[in-house]
Amino acid sequence: GAVVSQHPSWVICKSGTSVKIECRSLDFQATTMFWYRQFPKQSLMLMATSNEGSKATYEQGVEKDKFLINHASLTLSTLTVTSAHPEDSSFYICSASGTGVGNTIYFGEGSWLTVV
Amino acid sequence: SQKIEQNSEALNIQEGKTATLTCNYTNYSPAYLQWYRQDPGRGPVFLLLIRENEKEKRKERLKVTFDTTLKQSLFHITASQPADSATYLCALDDSSYKLIFGSGTRLLVRP
Repeated sequence: GAVVSQHPSWVICKSGTSVKIECRSLDFQATTMFWYRQFPKQSLMLMATSNEGSKATYEQGVEKDKFLINHASLTLSTLTVTSAHPEDSSFYICSASGTGVGNTIYFGEGSWLTVV
Repeated sequence: SQKIEQNSEALNIQEGKTATLTCNYTNYSPAYLQWYRQDPGRGPVFLLLIRENEKEKRKERLKVTFDTTLKQSLFHITASQPADSATYLCALDDSSYKLIFGSGTRLLVRP
């Protein structure tokens, strides 16, 4: 199947700093990418949807100025958590859909963020 | 309100038996429903997609049913193996190409 790669797999940052997570589609053009957050033993909660070349659409309750999403190319989307706080510590997962993969949405392996 | 419900209690079964997981939803009219497997600390892995006009879908030891009248999908794993132990998530589209996930059901297969 298609491959979606996330980097880094895990990151620890100090409170107040910003951290960037990358999501790449390795073998298809991802016209749409989705960012999710998952707290322990809970489901994936959609944060935002981004289409290549346009602004992301954020879900209700997600601060767009805090979670900056960029989808500048058909193979890369980035999520930047700005001024991170300990409550932002979570598992962040991206997924992608696009040309050549039908209705299937492929997920990355996720990125663990710990804010200390 | 819109909800997707999966049994939050773990399903514990003996190896070789059939595991059946349930996904119920309210106030959605999905065009399709998907099932994913998620291992601890990993991203979800796509298993099966079933469309609203399909009653049943099979893939190897997996079988999914979709009843749009009952608003329910059942996910079966036959001849279960310890390696099938994981959390299984159902997800449906909200007609805008976004996937909305249930909270998942943890399956434990005892050897």
